[in-house]
Amino acid sequence: GENVEQHPSTLSVQEGDSAVIKCTYSDSASNYFPWYKQELGKRPQLIIDIRSNVGEKKDQRIAVTLNKTAKHFSLHITETQPEDSAVYFCAANPGGSQGNLIFGKGTKLSVKP
Amino acid sequence: DAGITQSPRHKVTETGTPVTLRCHQTENHRYMYWYRQDPGHGLRLIHYSYGVKDTDKGEVSDGYSVSRSKTEDFLLTLESATSSQTSVYFCASQGPGANVLTFGAGSRLTVL
Repeated sequence: GENVEQHPSTLSVQEGDSAVIKCTYSDSASNYFPWYKQELGKRPQLIIDIRSNVGEKKDQRIAVTLNKTAKHFSLHITETQPEDSAVYFCAANPGGSQGNLIFGKGTKLSVKP
Repeated sequence: DAGITQSPRHKVTETGTPVTLRCHQTENHRYMYWYRQDPGHGLRLIHYSYGVKDTDKGEVSDGYSVSRSKTEDFLLTLESATSSQTSVYFCASQGPGANVLTFGAGSRLTVL
């Protein structure tokens, strides 16, 4: 089955610096790769997603890149702010399924003022 | 995200007792999911449903059962709770033609 590996498990940056979180997946049929942000005590919420027919997608300070050949995708956050502090999860849809997302284990991002 | 609610939000129970968690959505979404979240494990899929009375197992389905008798309700049952099932349980739903999951607020279950 699909296996999603996420690194690093923790990341600490200074406010204003960039943060990069990387994920790899195993199922070449996966074609949808979302990123969710979970603040402490809250529910996960989608922040950005990318489909396999696109190599990069940006939304203000966040961007996601996808390398289908290498089966990895990354989240980039620029000009980090304290409110970016949260746990971030990547995911992939095994077999290109409608749903049934398999998540990485998460990255705890801390942005120090 | 008022369109998807979970109940109860918190529950403490004893080993061996049955527990049912309820997920209710008002979006008329076809797909619904139950995940559990544990430190160091992220979100792991327990069961999912792709329509009324249509369910399937996820990664960690042992010890859990589900039922979906109406589009809006997806129930997760622990027939005989164990301490290893202490966790935060998240329900999610997914609309037609899109992969985006919308999560409920979570249910924290403690099994003593």
